[in-house]
Amino acid sequence: DAGVTQSPTHLIKTRGQQVTLRCSPKSGHDTVSWYQQALGQGPQFIFQYYEEEERQRGNFPDRFSGHQFPNYSSELNVNALLLGDSALYLCASSSDPVHMYFGPGTRLTVT
Amino acid sequence: GESVGLHLPTLSVQEGDNSIINCAYSNSASDYFIWYKQESGKGPQFIIDIRSNMDKRQGQRVTVLLNKTVKHLSLQIAATQPGDSAVYFCAEILSGGYNKLIFGAGTRLAVHP
Repeated sequence: DAGVTQSPTHLIKTRGQQVTLRCSPKSGHDTVSWYQQALGQGPQFIFQYYEEEERQRGNFPDRFSGHQFPNYSSELNVNALLLGDSALYLCASSSDPVHMYFGPGTRLTVT
Repeated sequence: GESVGLHLPTLSVQEGDNSIINCAYSNSASDYFIWYKQESGKGPQFIIDIRSNMDKRQGQRVTVLLNKTVKHLSLQIAATQPGDSAVYFCAEILSGGYNKLIFGAGTRLAVHP
């Protein structure tokens, strides 16, 4: 079992651009959540997908959007990138309400 | 790899000693509390969870204590090893908040030989 995988590992974008990050959940997991982790801080919940629908959303602007596919994989899209969007973006998957398994993250740098 | 927790509080311990990492939380309506370990360049790794109706739970070399009166959570690591060096986060799940983790401030654990 490969666990949760994310791509790409690192990404550099320019302000105003758009970015798409990808996540494949752990085998057997149907729920995918995305978190943003700024340097030196704990992860912040962005949103969560279940059965291809956004089930919960954190306090993030609608520049942040996502999608879940029938195979449970997911994408995070961020439009109109700001310098403050530079962070580690983490994907987590689960099959129950409590136990989350995180991927290694995608390091996004906005210049 | 990138550094996690550059400016976080640090707990330094000697190899073989016991470690205690503390966390304060503010929500009274949490169902679960969870400890995560994050090594540099990796995502958080689940360590142990405790339901809000419990006071103590033990795992392999780890014990979590929950004091709801003062809203305090602690993680005890027995016989700390160099491989335990990482940033540790506590997180909570509010009632009805399926899989929505609310993370606290982390603590860096540095284990010295």
